[in-house]
Amino acid sequence: DTAVSQTPKYLVTQMGNDKSIKCEQNLGHDTMYWYKQDSKKFLKIMFSYNNKELIINETVPNRFSPKSPDKAHLNLHINSLELGDSAVYFCASSHKLAGVGGDIQYFGAGTRLSVL
Amino acid sequence: AQSVTQPDIHITVSEGASLELRCNYSYGATPYLFWYVQSPGQGLQLLLKYFSGDTLVQGIKGFEAEFKRSQSSFNLRKPSVHWSDAAEYFCAVGADAGNMLTFGGGTRLMVKP
Repeated sequence: DTAVSQTPKYLVTQMGNDKSIKCEQNLGHDTMYWYKQDSKKFLKIMFSYNNKELIINETVPNRFSPKSPDKAHLNLHINSLELGDSAVYFCASSHKLAGVGGDIQYFGAGTRLSVL
Repeated sequence: AQSVTQPDIHITVSEGASLELRCNYSYGATPYLFWYVQSPGQGLQLLLKYFSGDTLVQGIKGFEAEFKRSQSSFNLRKPSVHWSDAAEYFCAVGADAGNMLTFGGGTRLMVKP
């Protein structure tokens, strides 16, 4: 069974559309993340959710909204898509102990979003 | 704020040759350091990690890395590269606050037959 799964794997859409990417983890982790990897392969964190509460929100446009119906799922909704949103989006998860860093994050296979 | 630099964007080695991928970090406290590998079209897989203790850490697929505090480095090594090692390699540093990972820009490894 895949530990962290994302759907869809590929997403091609027009500018201005609204789209969602789903992420599910079956590892029993408390914390989930969304990362964006741009065309130059730079990976940057977008959001982190700990047990359904947002704990990091890097400077991401508010067109991006994470939604966590439960701690095993963290979906990413994107409104009014722009060309610059084209990237690969990775979901990840980890155990979370308050105040302890260095926990291992497990990544999904990524969703390649292309905005035309 | 922490940062990670991978000075080499591309590296090409012959199969069977040794490999060293460089990683330098900037962080105010003891860092938590990671190496991940990304094969084409795939997600990131953890190769190894350093939290504390022995500064030479062993990972999967025959990789190892050495933490050198004096040089702020965490270089990845492999004594003999296989063609299947061709991939993108990312070094990352983790912080206490929110368990955030900061990644380097990646190094693309190509392996010649």
